[in-house]
Amino acid sequence: QVQLVESGGGSVKPGGSLRLSCAASGFIFSNYYMNWVRQAPGKGLEWVAYISSSSTFIDYADSVRGRFTISRDNAEKSLYLQMNSLRVEDTAVYYCMGGPGPGDYWGQGTLVTVSS
Amino acid sequence: IQLTQSPSSLSASVGDRVTITCRASQDISSNLVWYQQKPGKAPNLLIYDASTLQSGVPSRFSGSGSGTDFILTISSLQPEDFTSYYCQQLNSYPHTFGQGTKLEIK
Repeated sequence: QVQLVESGGGSVKPGGSLRLSCAASGFIFSNYYMNWVRQAPGKGLEWVAYISSSSTFIDYADSVRGRFTISRDNAEKSLYLQMNSLRVEDTAVYYCMGGPGPGDYWGQGTLVTVSS
Repeated sequence: IQLTQSPSSLSASVGDRVTITCRASQDISSNLVWYQQKPGKAPNLLIYDASTLQSGVPSRFSGSGSGTDFILTISSLQPEDFTSYYCQQLNSYPHTFGQGTKLEIK
């Protein structure tokens, strides 16, 4: 069955870095655009970034542009989010999301906490 | 593109019919989806292309609208429907979400 499993979350101080990973299985990962979406505690959903199937097209939310980098390895069926210069306001559960249709597949999320 | 979702919270009873609206700041055609999200879980796709029911979603959920104004309707609320709902536009990046609607039991 389809699975997206995020990892790499944790606690970090402001200014620090983390790299999130999302391992895909059960579908042809290399065919589809993938996204990162986050949700701060008690808040709504925020789209963070997307990457096209062959990494040709990438875009970011203004709130993370220049600090976060999305990438993928189709051979490994994995999606990544390198997060640098982290801020307190980046604290959130980070979800990977994608698939053949909009919002088809979501991971369970990984919590990133940025605190001094 | 900004999405304005209303109301932000809604109290209703089992069996009620409720509507949630999502207004886009510019024309997004039918490029809108609706999600349901239960506490501690990832969102679950309900409606895509503004009005197409995702496979496996109960028929009491329906979506309508195009352009800038969209509606999610739940025709007869069931106990499991009392949770949060979000719209998202897929017309252009960034794929913005509405602020969400929390549906509570009256």
